[in-house]
Amino acid sequence: DGGITQSPKYLFRKEGQNVTLSCEQNLNHDAMYWYRQDPGQGLRLIYYSQIVNDFQKGDIAEGYSVSREKKESFPLTVTSAQKNPTAFYLCASKLQGAETQYFGPGTRLLVL
Amino acid sequence: GIQVEQSPPDLILQEGANSTLRCNFSDSVNNLQWFHQNPWGQLINLFYIPSGTKQNGRLSATTVATERYSLLYISSSQTTDSGVYFCAVDNFGNEKLTFGTGTRLTIIP
Repeated sequence: DGGITQSPKYLFRKEGQNVTLSCEQNLNHDAMYWYRQDPGQGLRLIYYSQIVNDFQKGDIAEGYSVSREKKESFPLTVTSAQKNPTAFYLCASKLQGAETQYFGPGTRLLVL
Repeated sequence: GIQVEQSPPDLILQEGANSTLRCNFSDSVNNLQWFHQNPWGQLINLFYIPSGTKQNGRLSATTVATERYSLLYISSSQTTDSGVYFCAVDNFGNEKLTFGTGTRLTIIP
């Protein structure tokens, strides 16, 4: 099946720990995005990448890091510098020049 | 940056009713999309509609770009229409979307 997969579905982080969220797509899309959603809020852009080995900060990049070593993969690391990481994280991808983004099923991150 | 406001924030309707959701934006846009987020968190694109009118079954959308608003119409609501509806815009042409805070729609059987 073609699509976007995110893993894990739920993730628990301890204080001071870095955790990595996976996002993989087999749609051959050029651009990939990471969003954060807090309860009752819209989505806010963390990072995005339009081509391999290149990425840009979004509106709330502090405390997060990404890499784009392969076209199909765009992992997000939530570092210990992110003091309030509890949220729902959504990954999306898009063909360059296309009209719409396609979203993965999301990862819920909780702090223990 | 561009501001996106959606109204109403919450809407509770009986099955079979019609509804209108509104999205106001503060600047001209080259991309406007409507999304539905189901109760499990999955976002599905409904319309790409920077201007004009589109229809897809019981759903239709209209964007009046000169007046900076868009409307999403849902007719003959079904319980599966429940969820949160988001409007998202891009006004720089850099393929970054700014989302509104959404309208939570609850359809009661």
